[in-house]
Amino acid sequence: QKEVEQNSGPLSVPEGAIASLNCTYSDRGSQSFFWYRQYSGKSPELIMFIYSNGDKEDGRFTAQLNKASQYVSLLIRDSQPSDSATYLCAVDSGGYQKVTFGIGTKLQVIP
Amino acid sequence: DTAVSQTPKYLVTQMGNDKSIKCEQNLGHDTMYWYKQDSKKFLKIMFSYNNKELIINETVPNRFSPKSPDKAHLNLHINSLELGDSAVYFCASSQESGGAGLQQFFGPGTRLTVL
Repeated sequence: QKEVEQNSGPLSVPEGAIASLNCTYSDRGSQSFFWYRQYSGKSPELIMFIYSNGDKEDGRFTAQLNKASQYVSLLIRDSQPSDSATYLCAVDSGGYQKVTFGIGTKLQVIP
Repeated sequence: DTAVSQTPKYLVTQMGNDKSIKCEQNLGHDTMYWYKQDSKKFLKIMFSYNNKELIINETVPNRFSPKSPDKAHLNLHINSLELGDSAVYFCASSQESGGAGLQQFFGPGTRLTVL
């Protein structure tokens, strides 16, 4: 069973701080990694995609990938209350035509 | 312009009934999916179609039957509804079936409540 593990949280950070969200995966064949944000009662929306080891930055968001450790993370700098949501890590199933989602980490940014 | 649309948005029904959910995407994508998000918020794939062909069926009870009349539409019919079917069902589409093309575009979801 291919698994994607996340701490469900909640992770509470003060406004302006860096939020660090982590995800591990079991399939060494996985090549594509996604971070989705899901507000309560809404559908998931993509915020980051990464496939190479290292960091990828987009505005206040940085995705980090370490394939040797099977670990992918998302950093949110200068966290805002509007960032309060559940963040879902998704990993492709190495050769299969699908992604597997983690349980998601609920982030709360405290004003 | 709605990229992925679903109807209905809410569905409340009795155990044992049969119901359908419809999905349409106007993104020109080849692949469409059905996901189930349960009360614990776990998002689990149920089915995937690529150009009207079923490519993923994730051990879903055969009371669930997807149908794709064309690559822009994917419907889900559920027979003999059970209490455990209560969940939010999301339709999604992706441009391709690998790599960055696996980026999922989700519909707004259908909240199904079985009484």
